[in-house]
Amino acid sequence: QVQLVESGGGVVQPGTSLRLSCAASGFNFRTYGMHWVRQAPGKGLEWVAFISYDYSRMYYGHSVNSRFTIDRDNSRNILSLQMNSLRGEDTAKYYCAGREDHYSKYGVDVWGLGTTVTVSS
Amino acid sequence: DIQMTQSPSSLSASVGDTVTITCRASQSISNYVNWYQQKPGKAPKLLIFGASSLQSGVPSRFSGGGSGTDFTLTISSLQPEDFASYYCQQSYSSLWTFGQGTKVESK
Repeated sequence: QVQLVESGGGVVQPGTSLRLSCAASGFNFRTYGMHWVRQAPGKGLEWVAFISYDYSRMYYGHSVNSRFTIDRDNSRNILSLQMNSLRGEDTAKYYCAGREDHYSKYGVDVWGLGTTVTVSS
Repeated sequence: DIQMTQSPSSLSASVGDTVTITCRASQSISNYVNWYQQKPGKAPKLLIFGASSLQSGVPSRFSGGGSGTDFTLTISSLQPEDFASYYCQQSYSSLWTFGQGTKVESK
């Protein structure tokens, strides 16, 4: 079945790095635009980053721009998020999500269950 | 960035009620609004895309409308499984933004 499974979350200290992964199965990953969306405890959804199906476009939210890097490996059906210089405000559940939509205009209809990142000293 | 202002932040309703949630964009965004439902501890679920198109598998009691800057999500004949949080999201800009969310609670 269509599935996204995130991994790599954990408890880290401020200023350190963490790499999240998202393994896709059950659909043609290489045709999907993919996003990371996060949700701080008790808060709303915040869009983090996007990578196009063909690696040609990447966009980032202002709060993570220059600290986070989104990447994908279409040969292994893996999406990743490299997070550097982590801050307390990065504490959240991180979801990977996607849709077969080359221009990323119609939302995301496939979601993972999320992985939790806690940044604390 | 395009701001999405969603209202109300919460509402109380009964099974069978019709509920309307509104979302206002800080600039015109054509029809590039999507709506999601999220239940506690779960991932969001896409309900409506392109302002008014129903995502496959979503019950027809959910409907969306609007264009430009003002958008609505309407739930007709609210069901017990509809008590959840709802979010609008704009995809006009490459930098997506979500509304603050609306929690629909049982009266």
